[in-house]
Amino acid sequence: RKEVEQDPGPFNVPEGATVAFNCTYSNSASQSFFWYRQDCRKEPKLLMSVYSSGNEDGRFTAQLNRASQYISLLIRDSKLSDSATYLCVEEGYNAGNMLTFGGGTRLMVKP
Amino acid sequence: DTAVSQTPKYLVTQMGNDKSIKCEQNLGHDTMYWYKQDSKKFLKIMFSYNNKELIINETVPNRFSPKSPDKAHLNLHINSLELGDSAVYFCASSQFSGAGSTGELFFGEGSRLTVL
Repeated sequence: RKEVEQDPGPFNVPEGATVAFNCTYSNSASQSFFWYRQDCRKEPKLLMSVYSSGNEDGRFTAQLNRASQYISLLIRDSKLSDSATYLCVEEGYNAGNMLTFGGGTRLMVKP
Repeated sequence: DTAVSQTPKYLVTQMGNDKSIKCEQNLGHDTMYWYKQDSKKFLKIMFSYNNKELIINETVPNRFSPKSPDKAHLNLHINSLELGDSAVYFCASSQFSGAGSTGELFFGEGSRLTVL
């Protein structure tokens, strides 16, 4: 079983739409979670951290549901520039605080 | 001024050859990593070094040998290349390793390796 699972998509949405991705994780002891964004043929970059109380940054909202072991990312008012792959990341408290990446969810925002 | 730089960006080589990828970070971070991203886009950690010391060594063939001459550099040498080694290799660095990690990795632009 994969440790961090995501729907690979693609999610095709029109500009202005609201879109949400979920990600499930298997390690109930994991403490920290993140969303990274990866543009086509580029390196991943941190989008936002996911806190237990939720986290909002402009049009982006991240939530953590520990009971069901999933995290979510909500994007409101989608822009063409939001088209990318969104990687869900879990941080385990073991040697080196290893980050485990999901396979990513691809979002394509259309005009 | 690139924070994490790796060379070469593209590498095409024959099976059985030996190749190296170099990585340097100018962020003053203590921890550096090598990740492999395969054709299905899964990003898997290979190695992690903290202040030149190996702290994570995932299940990677021993044909892969990392070397960290100082905390700003982490190179990856691959012996006897195989077709399955074709992937994008990302170097990354972070400020902390251990409790209190920010979780932010700063990645290089990637080195796309194609083995023919």
